[in-house]
Amino acid sequence: AQKITQTQPGMFVQEKEAVTLDCTYDTSDQSYGLFWYKQPSSGEMIFLIYQGSYDEQNATEGRYSLNFQKARKSANLVISASQLGDSAMYFCATLYNNNDMRFGAGTRLTVKP
Amino acid sequence: GAGVSQSPSNKVTEKGKDVELRCDPISGHTALYWYRQSLGQGLEFLIYFQGNSAPDKSGLPSDRFSAERTGGSVSTLTIQRTQQEDSAVYLCASSLGRGALYEQYFGPGTRLTVT
Repeated sequence: AQKITQTQPGMFVQEKEAVTLDCTYDTSDQSYGLFWYKQPSSGEMIFLIYQGSYDEQNATEGRYSLNFQKARKSANLVISASQLGDSAMYFCATLYNNNDMRFGAGTRLTVKP
Repeated sequence: GAGVSQSPSNKVTEKGKDVELRCDPISGHTALYWYRQSLGQGLEFLIYFQGNSAPDKSGLPSDRFSAERTGGSVSTLTIQRTQQEDSAVYLCASSLGRGALYEQYFGPGTRLTVT
């Protein structure tokens, strides 16, 4: 079964510092996509960043970057220069070509002033 | 442009009643997904539509759950004879197409409480 794992239920980071949120996945598929979503306390799901399995370069979107290590099947999210507004739940997700999308359990990030 | 919308935003129902949850995807998005998020948990995949057909119903937790999509647009998730364990936020998402390359855009969710 395709499985996605986020091992950190909660993380703390000091404002303005960088933080890495871990994500590993388990698949035998060759083609898949990796996503990170942010869910603030309001409940909405906000797309952050996407990495395709064939992309050779790590994806970056502003302060977000995805540390993609295909051989290790990991897709860690790096948030640089953390801001108070980054405090939220963060979900890693994988999407396969059969449109089976799986989410991890999430990591609650708290940014301390 | 308009994003994914869901209605109602909140629904409180008595155990045993049927409920219908509605999702309006982004115009032109052919793929539509339903997820369930229980309190403090991750997202659980329920069902996926490509156009009006649902090739994957494996995520529906029981035969009390059903979903349909008409006109390749609006989708309705129906829960019959609701149980307390059905209490959760039900999220709908849509994307431009199928496959691993398409980002899913999420609606605000419907918070269902079964008393």
